Amino acid sequence: AQTVTQSQPEMSVQEAETVTLSCTYDTSESDYYLFWYKQPPSRQMILVIRQEAYKQQNATENRFSVNFQKAAKSFSLKISDSQLGDAAMYFCAYRSDYGGSQGNLIFGKGTKLSVKP
Amino acid sequence: DGGITQSPKYLFRKEGQNVTLSCEQNLNHDAMYWYRQDPGQGLRLIYYSQIVNDFQKGDIAEGYSVSREKKESFPLTVTSAQKNPTAFYLCASSLGQGYYEQYFGPGTRLTVT
Repeated sequence: AQTVTQSQPEMSVQEAETVTLSCTYDTSESDYYLFWYKQPPSRQMILVIRQEAYKQQNATENRFSVNFQKAAKSFSLKISDSQLGDAAMYFCAYRSDYGGSQGNLIFGKGTKLSVKP
Repeated sequence: DGGITQSPKYLFRKEGQNVTLSCEQNLNHDAMYWYRQDPGQGLRLIYYSQIVNDFQKGDIAEGYSVSREKKESFPLTVTSAQKNPTAFYLCASSLGQGYYEQYFGPGTRLTVT
């Protein structure tokens, strides 16, 4: 079974600085998708960025980018020019591309990001 | 305005009572999901449905039941058999099994005393 590990329960960053959140995963599959979701205090889950495993190029969405290392099974999220609104829980998630559970997301336990003004 | 609605936002029940959480979507999505979130935990999958009148157990289905009689609706019943029902419950949907993006509702906080 696949697992997702976020080793940083909490992180802190100064406003306008850059922070990197770590995520590792375990799978024997070659095709899959990886995601970062943001959960602000409102608790609404918001998709931040996604990465297809077959793509070598790292995904980027405005100030958010990932460092996808397939061989190392690592998927970190970099937030540049951090803003107060970035303060939230961030969850890394894995989605299989095979079998009956295709489409189901497996989540890590999350990293709580604080942004200091 | 398309989206997923969950009601109510906060729900309180006495131990031993069954309670049903509502999830409705007007996105015309085929697939719907229920997750449970506990403090310090990620989301864990309770049940999912890829099509009307069909649903499958997720990782923590014991003590829960669902139905999918309409495409738009996927209610979750928390039964008295669920030993630790107090949690935050999130509903999600996606276009279909092969589509990667899941859209989430605002969630329901259930407290059982």
